[in-house]
Amino acid sequence: GAGVSQSPSNKVTEKGKDVELRCDPISGHTALYWYRQRLGQGLEFLIYFQGNSAPDKSGLPSDRFSAERTGESVSTLTIQRTQQEDSAVYLCASSFGRVSIGGYNEQFFGPGTRLTVL
Amino acid sequence: AQKVTQAQTEISVVEKEDVTLDCVYETRDTTYYLFWYKQPPSGELVFLIRRNSFDEQNEISGRYSWNFQKSTSSFNFTITASQVVDSAVYFCALSEVYNDMRFGAGTRLTVKP
Repeated sequence: GAGVSQSPSNKVTEKGKDVELRCDPISGHTALYWYRQRLGQGLEFLIYFQGNSAPDKSGLPSDRFSAERTGESVSTLTIQRTQQEDSAVYLCASSFGRVSIGGYNEQFFGPGTRLTVL
Repeated sequence: AQKVTQAQTEISVVEKEDVTLDCVYETRDTTYYLFWYKQPPSGELVFLIRRNSFDEQNEISGRYSWNFQKSTSSFNFTITASQVVDSAVYFCALSEVYNDMRFGAGTRLTVKP
């Protein structure tokens, strides 16, 4: 597709269950980011993938959160044993690469997955 | 550490008014990038502009203009003759070289007809 896609668009789950969120980046984009946006809040960086390099997991809030990406394709964000405070919109973005001295490639965002943990 | 402050949580204006969204940033780096994104009610963030720290020239794009002032660490965004379609949450962001983008909390702009 032309843009970043995410699925599902909405997910309602019960506390304690595991959830998987999917992101399809723009074809050719080597970098992929996951963010969390709580209601009325800004964007919170979670994790970053660049090609086949080891991901930057510095933003993951706990070991219940994990993400995978195979090559430069789809990524899945997994939240285990969900808690109510995990309720948020999870946004995925992709770009040609990370910041470099020569310039920056802006991130293109998907529509997000709204997660509600009851 | 890099930090972005958008002090205005919500702004409400009437159509055709001009409105300025403030953004103040903190960084220790001399090379960095500043961004504005728009998040309409649909939820998808839309890239508006990127500036690097070496280019303080103000930019105008249609009804949008940006004022970058390193002396005050500000990167303010002005919408001239606002329209209802401008209603959205606007995020300012900062990225240092090799660091991730850090977003401000956002300013919710409501333009009333």
